[in-house]
Parts: sequence; structure tokens; C-alpha cells
Amino acid sequence: AQSVTQLGSHVSVSEGALVLLRCNYSSSVPPYLFWYVQYPNQGLQLLLKYTSAATLVKGINGFEAEFKKSETSFHLTKPSAHMSDAAEYFCAVSWSGGKLTFGQGTILTVHP
Amino acid sequence: AAGVIQSPRHLIKEKRETATLKCYPIPRHDTVYWYQQGPGQDPQFLISFYEKMQSDKGSIPDRFSAQQFSDYHSELNMSSLELGDSALYFCASSLLAGGQTDTQYFGPGTRLTVL
Repeated sequence: AQSVTQLGSHVSVSEGALVLLRCNYSSSVPPYLFWYVQYPNQGLQLLLKYTSAATLVKGINGFEAEFKKSETSFHLTKPSAHMSDAAEYFCAVSWSGGKLTFGQGTILTVHP
Repeated sequence: AAGVIQSPRHLIKEKRETATLKCYPIPRHDTVYWYQQGPGQDPQFLISFYEKMQSDKGSIPDRFSAQQFSDYHSELNMSSLELGDSALYFCASSLLAGGQTDTQYFGPGTRLTVL
């Protein structure tokens, strides 16, 4: 079955440090890929998406992600973490042109 | 910019009662999706509608039904509620342009608590 895996349910970084959140998908056909952020008791906000254009995708709030077909990965990065980045991050994919399949989520903690 | 609107934001029901959740998509969006997010879980797809017709169905219990109306708003009807139905229910909308996947924009969710 097609699936999405986020490695690490919790990631903790210092303010100003690099943020790296990992996402791998299982499929021989590159899907559409998304990263969403969820703050406590709020909805899902789109950070960025990959739809077969440039492999390096830039999103909001300084985040970017690189699509690597050979590794079936779409990791999310940010060069310098800010306290306001603390939230839960979901990688999501769509294969069939519609519904999203989400990874398990990664909770990012940023400490001073 | 207009966003997806969901109502109510919070709902408390007793077991075996019925609940109706409403979703108002972004203007001119033609597709609506419903997702269920249990405590500490990732969102799970329930059902979707394109141009008022059901387009896809996920792990939605038979006790649940949904529809999309002529003004494109959608309602999720849940009957014989169980404790396990307590969750955050998200609606998302998109514009299915040219048959390709477009971005889904999510509403703030309805938090359903079943006592």
C-alpha cells in the first residue's frame, strides 16, 4: 500500500539552528507532495507544495523542501529556527489527484 | 482572502445522538474534502465531493453521510455517535483545474466531543 513516513515524531532544536524534518513516500510514481503546519487547536496551513516543476520548493516562513526521486524523499528544512516555528508539521501526498494521505506528523520544539 | 469556514467550531454530544457539521468552501472552489483527526493522530480522509457529486470515499463509517449542496457548501451528518467519534473534523476545499491535483485549503476544524 502507498504510504508516507515521517521519521521522528519529535524534533527539538535551539533557536537559530537548522531545522530538518524528514518525509519519505512509497511509490514508483512521483506523487504530488505537500507540507502543512498545525499550531495547537488550529487548522492545517500549507507551507509548500511540489507538483513536478522545480525540485527545490520554497515555501512560507523561510521553509523549503527538496524533492529527491531517487530517495523517494521530500524533506523540509529551514536554515534558522525561530521560536514561532514550534508546531506540528505534516507531510502529505496525493497520488490519485485528490485526497491527501498524511504522515504521522512531527512535533517541532524550539528552545532558547 | 476568504478562507474555508466551518461551523460549529466546537460541539458536544451524548452517545447515540446525531451531529451535523457544516463546511463553506473558498468561493469558486469546486471540490470539498472531509478529514477526521483523532487525538494525537494524523488526519484521515473520509469523503470528497466534486461539483456536488461524491468523488471519493475513504474510511467513513456507515453511520456518517455527507453531501454537497448547490451553493457548494457541504454537510457531514453523523448518527448514533460513539465515544470514538470524538475528534477534530476538517473540511478542505480546492479548485480541480484541468483534472490535476490542486492545493487543498483547510478550515479551522470542528472539535466534536462525544460524552
